[in-house]
Amino acid sequence: QITLKESGPTLVKPTQTLTLTCTFSGFSLSTSGVAVGWIRQPPGKALEWLALIYWDDDKRYSPSLQSRLTITKDTSKNQVVLTMTSMDPVDTATYYCARSLRGYCGVGSCPNWFDPWGQGTLVTVSS
Amino acid sequence: AIQMTQSPSSLSASVGDRVTITCRASQGFRNDLGWYQQKPGKAPTLLIYAVSTLQSGVPSRFSGSGSGTDFTLTISSLQPEDFATYYCLQDYNYPWTFGQGTKVEIK
Repeated sequence: QITLKESGPTLVKPTQTLTLTCTFSGFSLSTSGVAVGWIRQPPGKALEWLALIYWDDDKRYSPSLQSRLTITKDTSKNQVVLTMTSMDPVDTATYYCARSLRGYCGVGSCPNWFDPWGQGTLVTVSS
Repeated sequence: AIQMTQSPSSLSASVGDRVTITCRASQGFRNDLGWYQQKPGKAPTLLIYAVSTLQSGVPSRFSGSGSGTDFTLTISSLQPEDFATYYCLQDYNYPWTFGQGTKVEIK
């Protein structure tokens, strides 16, 4: 059974740094084609892709947040950590982590998908 | 970044109806799109990946199609458990981008 679970503070103050940990089981982040991503969802709004880290330590970030985000992995602990600096009330959201798999890569196409997702953790930014 | 315009933003339908949700991409790609279902207070779950491949365990009333800039999720006969919000996600290039979501409500 594959599971992921997010952990971290539920309340942070503006300007503080948020550190979230995704602890997973049932798969290895050393396996080719595997990645773990972070996605967030402000209350009542749509999903937003934040960052991704691959088995080979390749890292990808949302350009709009890249200067504030850092994603790292600890393969031995089965954990992925996301840090977000300079938190603001607009960053209030449920933060999800999810495993990403890569499918068959053909000409001009290399599909990936998120499955499964963690349960999410609500982070509120308020003084 | 590729923008994914999802339509409609919401719809009302009855049990047994055929429902179609569309995502239009700001630039074309072939196979790099998935669909996710989210129920209130829950994490999203994967329905379809690579445009048309049904995730294991997902009922066959769900199907996906499309290529280029237009992609479609179809529910052939809406069931009570299908009332939820649906999102498309393109993974053709970074940043991966979601559609704005389609909320399927009971008529």
